[in-house]
Amino acid sequence: DQQVKQNSPSLSVQEGRISILNCDYTNSMFDYFLWYKKYPAEGPTFLISISSIKDKNEDGRFTVFLNKSAKHLSLHIVPSQPGDSAVYFCAASRPGGSSNTGKLIFGQGTTLQVKP
Amino acid sequence: KAGVTQTPRYLIKTRGQQVTLSCSPISGHRSVSWYQQTPGQGLQFLFEYFSETQRNKGNFPGRFSGRQFSNSRSEMNVSTLELGDSALYLCASSADRGYNSPLHFGNGTRLTVT
Repeated sequence: DQQVKQNSPSLSVQEGRISILNCDYTNSMFDYFLWYKKYPAEGPTFLISISSIKDKNEDGRFTVFLNKSAKHLSLHIVPSQPGDSAVYFCAASRPGGSSNTGKLIFGQGTTLQVKP
Repeated sequence: KAGVTQTPRYLIKTRGQQVTLSCSPISGHRSVSWYQQTPGQGLQFLFEYFSETQRNKGNFPGRFSGRQFSNSRSEMNVSTLELGDSALYLCASSADRGYNSPLHFGNGTRLTVT
C-alpha cells in the first residue's frame, strides 16, 4: 500500500525554466511533509518542509504547495539550474510531533534533469 | 558541524552471515532513524531510536535490529542475511524538536549479499 506516490518517475526541464514535481498521498492523517534531493552515492538532503496548517512555504528558489483537500503537494523550483539535476523524494509523517518525525513515509522519487 | 557519518561505506557478505552497520549522528542530535533503500521498494523506514530506546519500528522482520548508545551513536544489525537484504542502508538524525527538526541523512552503507 503506497501511501505516498510520485507518479512521474522522471522530468526534464530547460535551464532557467520552472520545474514542478508532484506528490500525492492517501493518508489524511499525515500532517507534515518534506522534500529531499538525492545525488548518486550520497544520502538524501533536506530541501524544504511544510506542515498541514499551511498551504505554501518558500525558501529561495524552492516553494512547496500543499492542497489538503486533494491530498496533493508539489515542489516548484524557479529558476531551474543544471545542478538541480537529482532524484527528488517527497515524504510525509503522521501527527505526534517529535515522536513521529523520525518515521517518514517516502514516495518512490522523481528524477529531474535540467538541461543547459 | 560534521554531518551524519556511516561506516562502512561498502560491505559484501554472503547469505547466512550477519552484519553490523554503524552511525554517528550530528552532534547534539538524540534521535537516530534507519532506512533501507532498494530500487523496487524505495526508501523504507526500519526503526528509530531516541535516548537509547526504540521509539518507532517499521515493518521489517526480527532479523533487523538496532541499538543506540548513551552518546547517541547507533548500530543496526542484520542476522541470517538473505539476498534480498542487498540495499543501501541510510541513517538519519534529527534535533527532535518536532516539525522544525527535519531528518538529516548520512551517505549510507551499501550492503551486497551474495
